[in-house]
Amino acid sequence: RKEVEQDPGPFNVPEGATVAFNCTYSNSASQSFFWYRQDCRKEPKLLMSVYSSGNEDGRFTAQLNRASQYISLLIRDSKLSDSATYLCVVNHNYGQNFVFGPGTRLSVLP
Amino acid sequence: DTGVSQNPRHKITKRGQNVTFRCDPISEHNRLYWYRQTLGQGPEFLTYFQNEAQLEKSRLLSDRFSAERPKGSFSTLEIQRTEQGDSAMYLCAGTGGKTGHTEAFFGQGTRLTVV
Repeated sequence: RKEVEQDPGPFNVPEGATVAFNCTYSNSASQSFFWYRQDCRKEPKLLMSVYSSGNEDGRFTAQLNRASQYISLLIRDSKLSDSATYLCVVNHNYGQNFVFGPGTRLSVLP
Repeated sequence: DTGVSQNPRHKITKRGQNVTFRCDPISEHNRLYWYRQTLGQGPEFLTYFQNEAQLEKSRLLSDRFSAERPKGSFSTLEIQRTEQGDSAMYLCAGTGGKTGHTEAFFGQGTRLTVV
């Protein structure tokens, strides 16, 4: 079993739709959590950190449930430019290895 | 632009040749990571430096792979006797130090093709 698992995807949604991504992690010692987006053949770019209380950045909302070892990302009013692969990332101890999930690909269709 | 640069951006090499990649992180980043990514997969951890000390190595890092970070600034990743299975994107990331970052910031990667 992989340490970080994500919805297999791909997700194909129309513009304006709301889409949710799920992620689970197996190491209960994980301390910090992130969502990255990656465009085709480009490097991963930080989308947002995920805080225990949940956090929002514009159309993006991230939630963390430490008891269930579950992280989510919600994208509202999706845009064509949101099309990318979304990577869930956990870090066991600040500054040590960042562990990536396999990613979930999103295609937003006109 | 994260300020992390990698060179070269692309490398095509014949099987059996040695290759070396370079990563220049933001000067303030004291932690530097190397990852490998193949198509359809998330990045896989290879190794990690805190300043010049190599603190962790993945079992993916076979004896053909070696990484250095002299003086705690730029880093190099060398692959000896390349194999076709080494074809991948090699990503470098930096974090920590005076920036206070806890997130990893990636360079644009080096895409290796072994023919």
